[in-house]
Amino acid sequence: ELKVEQNPLFLSMQEGKNYTIYCNYSTTSDRLYWYRQDPGKSLESLFVLLSNGAVKQEGRLMASLDTKARLSTLHITAAVHDLSATYFCAVFSGGGADGLTFGKGTHLIIQP
Amino acid sequence: DAGVTQSPTHLIKTRGQQVTLRCSPKSGHDTVSWYQQALGQGPQFIFQYYEEEERQRGNFPDRFSGHQFPNYSSELNVNALLLGDSALYLCASSSTGNQPQHFGDGTRLSIL
Repeated sequence: ELKVEQNPLFLSMQEGKNYTIYCNYSTTSDRLYWYRQDPGKSLESLFVLLSNGAVKQEGRLMASLDTKARLSTLHITAAVHDLSATYFCAVFSGGGADGLTFGKGTHLIIQP
Repeated sequence: DAGVTQSPTHLIKTRGQQVTLRCSPKSGHDTVSWYQQALGQGPQFIFQYYEEEERQRGNFPDRFSGHQFPNYSSELNVNALLLGDSALYLCASSSTGNQPQHFGDGTRLSIL
């Protein structure tokens, strides 16, 4: 059974600082997604990572994938308050369909 | 271009009742997945529908059933409701390939 673990689960940081969120998964997968969820809102797709060594960047966020280590990272550079949200990684389960297994999420608060 | 739409937005039921939730996928998408998100947790995969057939199912009991219509819209039915079924139910649509699933705003189901 595929398990996805994120850490930390809660992160409070100051504006201007850098930090990394980690996502480990237990079985081989060739697809990993990062989503953002604001309070009371739905999930917004941030990144799709499809191969070992894949790196994607959008603004102050950068995501990477190491399929051999079964690890993805979401790096935040010079954080700003607008990035406060819950971030989820989700891994493709396989098996002929594309149901996703999500981590528990990282609740990120960025303080001025 | 309408995204994924779900109805109703909120629903209150009592234990033992039955409920039907509805989802219209994003234009151009033919696959619908349903997820249950408990408070403070990541979404959990319930099942996925493609070509009007359930093609993958997560670890949910048979009380959870679904249907997909020829226009790709979908319903989630839950019978014999339990208190533990209280959650946000998210519908996601996708097309073939590696593109991310697009999520609706969800239905908040409360069981009294």
